Amino acid sequence: ETGVTQTPRHLVMGMTNKKSLKCEQHLGHNAMYWYKQSAKKPLELMFVYSLEERVENNSVPSRFSPECPNSSHLFLHLHTLQPEDSALYLCASSQERGTGFGEQFFGPGTRLTVL
Amino acid sequence: GENVEQHPSTLSVQEGDSAVIKCTYSDSASNYFPWYKQELGKRPQLIIDIRSNVGEKKDQRIAVTLNKTAKHFSLHITETQPEDSAVYFCAAPLSGGYNKLIFGAGTRLAVHP
Repeated sequence: ETGVTQTPRHLVMGMTNKKSLKCEQHLGHNAMYWYKQSAKKPLELMFVYSLEERVENNSVPSRFSPECPNSSHLFLHLHTLQPEDSALYLCASSQERGTGFGEQFFGPGTRLTVL
Repeated sequence: GENVEQHPSTLSVQEGDSAVIKCTYSDSASNYFPWYKQELGKRPQLIIDIRSNVGEKKDQRIAVTLNKTAKHFSLHITETQPEDSAVYFCAAPLSGGYNKLIFGAGTRLAVHP
């Protein structure tokens, strides 16, 4: 596997279910991100992890819970979701540099449908 | 709050024509402006970026210009081809570092043969 991978690619869940999205980056990067992409807000930052420490949660509802066990893996735990949470969830990674921004590499996304 | 506005939301051109997409940002301290291309059903990919120490950057048929005084930057695509059809997103930094970006709403570009 190369780049940024995400599983599952598609997920259908009921409002009372608990599920997790997984992201893995094979680029040796030190920062990882979760984005939500929907028709309403095309690319909305949810969480940022830098060196495995969460540095931004961007006012995301508590029914979304991120976890970053190491610099290569990122999870998004989902529970008690609402139908409006249906969207494409994109993971990204980048190499943080003291000199400025690094390119963000995106995964293919997980298409989530909440019934 | 910080904001990035992107126009137009849709753009339709004939093959061979030029396309221009413009973004404005609110934070005068912003210093990095990437453009991402997202083809249908695919992930966003960086196509070009510009940092605030230059006013223009080119890469073959793609160029980005930056006007720091007016706080806007634009993507220029020349000699458009059908494979340029995609959604294009601009972005600018959110304050606080850590490579946090705020994205524009996107421009859906259609290039007709």
